[in-house]
Amino acid sequence: GAVVSQHPSRVICKSGTSVKIECRSLDFQATTMFWYRQFPKQSLMLMATSNEGSKATYEQGVEKDKFLINHASLTLSTLTVTSAHPEDSSFYICSAREYGADGLNQPQHFGDGTRLSIL
Amino acid sequence: AQSVTQLGSHVSVSEGALVLLRCNYSSSVPPYLFWYVQYPNQGLQLLLKYTSAATLVKGINGFEAEFKKSETSFHLTKPSAHMSDAAEYFCAVSAPPAGNQFYFGTGTSLTVIP
Repeated sequence: GAVVSQHPSRVICKSGTSVKIECRSLDFQATTMFWYRQFPKQSLMLMATSNEGSKATYEQGVEKDKFLINHASLTLSTLTVTSAHPEDSSFYICSAREYGADGLNQPQHFGDGTRLSIL
Repeated sequence: AQSVTQLGSHVSVSEGALVLLRCNYSSSVPPYLFWYVQYPNQGLQLLLKYTSAATLVKGINGFEAEFKKSETSFHLTKPSAHMSDAAEYFCAVSAPPAGNQFYFGTGTSLTVIP
């Protein structure tokens, strides 16, 4: 089955540090990847849609300059949390859909998430 | 616009009992519906999906769901709960004109009592 690898799984760093999270589709090509944020005991909140070779589409209320997204290839998207502060601490999850998938009936395949803790 | 509602944020069942997790959707066009499971500190794993073929969909780990258009529902069931089924379950919908975007429910936490 389709596998999405997300790295790192956990990050603990000081306030003001920038943190990069990678999301890779291992056995398929993904023109579209998604970045979510999940607070404890809550559902996933879509932050942005990452499109290969073009700018990401951010959801309302998500700071583009704070959460930088790059989707440079069909198998890799990165999320950089710039100048992270304690309020950015959260569980971040990426997902990907297969390139060329027919229509909207294709599922999203999820990475294992990144637990970000800013001290 | 599309949305899903999961009734019951917490469900507890005894081991061996029937599992029923509820999901109702709202969509002005035929939707595609998905159930995912999330274990602690992990991403989401696809259990099953409805894509306008058979209304009764069988998934992994013995789960199945039935699409009922008249009730706008897509409830998840399993005849006999195992301890390993304890997790968070999310229902999601995808439909035009949202394109690739999924809309997730708020999740249901399943506890299995030995």
